[in-house]
Amino acid sequence: NAGVTQTPKFQVLKTGQSMTLQCAQDMNHEYMSWYRQDPGMGLRLIHYSVGAGITDQGEVPNGYNVSRSTTEDFPLRLLSAAPSQTSVYFCASSYSSAWGESPLHFGNGTRLTVT
Amino acid sequence: AQKITQTQPGMFVQEKEAVTLDCTYDTSDPSYGLFWYKQPSSGEMIFLIYQGSYDQQNATEGRYSLNFQKARKSANLVISASQLGDSAMYFCAMREGRGSWGKLQFGAGTQVVVTP
Repeated sequence: NAGVTQTPKFQVLKTGQSMTLQCAQDMNHEYMSWYRQDPGMGLRLIHYSVGAGITDQGEVPNGYNVSRSTTEDFPLRLLSAAPSQTSVYFCASSYSSAWGESPLHFGNGTRLTVT
Repeated sequence: AQKITQTQPGMFVQEKEAVTLDCTYDTSDPSYGLFWYKQPSSGEMIFLIYQGSYDQQNATEGRYSLNFQKARKSANLVISASQLGDSAMYFCAMREGRGSWGKLQFGAGTQVVVTP
């Protein structure tokens, strides 16, 4: 049981390049989300999805695109990378629960540097 | 406005001592949940403990307990009998409302260093 798998672990991009961060989960969780972690700021929500075909913006969506064609996969696309997108990116998933007690299960993160 | 505030950027604690990590939150929704995560230097996010707004008792999980003071809007994490492996960054997070399963709001974190 792999949980949440993110690839790649590390990536260096030049300004203006595009790339896709991959995220897959094998727990049949309905909910998936992307966060970025910057020093002193905790984790901030970029985009999230409540099921296949349904996505919505989080706190910091600009410059990022997502889609969710299957329950398992939730890729994050950077259309034109900027140095401000240098960060550690986490994908997470969770299941629905009656009282919201289901925790987020995180992938191991992708460290992205944009030069 | 910041919804989750962790006022202690860093702290040192001696092995076998207890440590309290502060977390205050801001919400007007009566239904919410509070989570604590641990992030060791290796970078993964590890779920520790959960407290729901309607829970009557403070949550406990092994050496972790949550001091939940609803009227003060605080949810402090207590780690008893600290171990060297507890050295990590700790994040408090909140989920507001029913149905916001995929969305947590995180505090800035507290770096804990456990010394022998």
